[in-house]
Amino acid sequence: GAVVSQHPSRVICKSGTSVKIECRSLDFQATTMFWYRQFPKKSLMLMATSNEGSKATYEQGVEKDKFLINHASLTLSTLTVTSAHPEDSSFYICSAILRWGSETQYFGPGTRLLVL
Amino acid sequence: QKEVEQNSGPLSVPEGAIASLNCTYSDRGSQSFFWYRQYSGKSPELIMFIYSNGDKEDGRFTAQLNKASQYVSLLIRDSQPSDSATYLCAVPGGNTDKLIFGTGTRLQVFP
Repeated sequence: GAVVSQHPSRVICKSGTSVKIECRSLDFQATTMFWYRQFPKKSLMLMATSNEGSKATYEQGVEKDKFLINHASLTLSTLTVTSAHPEDSSFYICSAILRWGSETQYFGPGTRLLVL
Repeated sequence: QKEVEQNSGPLSVPEGAIASLNCTYSDRGSQSFFWYRQYSGKSPELIMFIYSNGDKEDGRFTAQLNKASQYVSLLIRDSQPSDSATYLCAVPGGNTDKLIFGTGTRLQVFP
């Protein structure tokens, strides 16, 4: 099946620092990846759609200068949380589409971010 | 704006019973429907998807789609405590690649 990995699985950082999260498709090439955020006991919130070789499309209310997304290859997308603050502490999950035109999303295991 | 609605639950069923999870959607043009399971503290995992009206079975799971009434259901037969999780319904977001997720129904299967 389609395997998506994320690294790191959890990270603790100090307020004001930047954190990079990697999302990789391990056994397929993903032209499109998605980044979600989920607060405890809340529903998934789509942050942005990441397309290989082009700028990410951000959802309304998501600051693109704070959440930098780079999709430089067909197997890797990165999310950088810049100048992180405690309110950015959350569960960040990426997903990928198996092939162009497919609607099925396969999720990575998620990254738990804690900003002190 | 497409909407997907689910009862947040929790839905409590005894072990061995059938759990029935329901989802309604607003866009009559939706063609495909997805069910994901999310355990507490974990990311969602795909259970199944359905495109055609009627039932689709996969092991203990059956997805039921009724396009006329705009609802899709997930039945879990012989429910096990390990089925206790939040179940998310999703439909494609129209002209984009994204999925529109419901808020999820929390299922509790008690021994």
